[in-house]
Amino acid sequence: AQSVTQPDIHITVSEGASLELRCNYSYGATPYLFWYVQSPGQGLQLLLKYFSGDTLVQGIKGFEAEFKRSQSSFNLRKPSVHWSDAAEYFCAVVRFGNEKLTFGTGTRLTIIP
Amino acid sequence: GAGVSQTPSNKVTEKGKYVELRCDPISGHTALYWYRQSLGQGPEFLIYFQGTGAADDSGLPNDRFFAVRPEGSVSTLKIQRTERGDSAVYLCASSNGGTQYFGPGTRLLVL
Repeated sequence: AQSVTQPDIHITVSEGASLELRCNYSYGATPYLFWYVQSPGQGLQLLLKYFSGDTLVQGIKGFEAEFKRSQSSFNLRKPSVHWSDAAEYFCAVVRFGNEKLTFGTGTRLTIIP
Repeated sequence: GAGVSQTPSNKVTEKGKYVELRCDPISGHTALYWYRQSLGQGPEFLIYFQGTGAADDSGLPNDRFFAVRPEGSVSTLKIQRTERGDSAVYLCASSNGGTQYFGPGTRLLVL
């Protein structure tokens, strides 16, 4: 069965600093990979996705993620965070031919001045 | 509307009662999904519809949970004899292949 690990439960970053959120997946073949963001009381918003091709994918709000097959990772990055980036971030995978998303437990991002 | 909508946004019920949660997918999306998100956890898959039929209901926790999508658009998640452990945010998503787009969720509290 596929699984997703987000090892960092909570990360605190200063406004303007760079950010990297970790995501590792367990699956025998290359899955489809996603990052979603959830603000308090809001639904999940898609930041970016990887299906195939270029392993560095660009998303909305200045986020990017890099797929590394050798490390089974899909880490999310942003060069300079803004206070509005404070939210919960979820990595998710779906196996080709299987429609259900498997989510990690999420990383809560706090931004300090 | 442009996105997935869910009603009600909040629902408080008593243990043992029956509840229905509604999802309106993005117009034209053939696939519809239900997930449940408990506090401090990521969403967990419940059921997936392709058109009117449930293509995968392997995530439904027990027979108290049931979902329908009779006309291939709106879906209703039904929970019978609610228990306190059913308290969670119930999320709906729709897709036309590939990316799933989520609604704001229904927060269910069972007292």
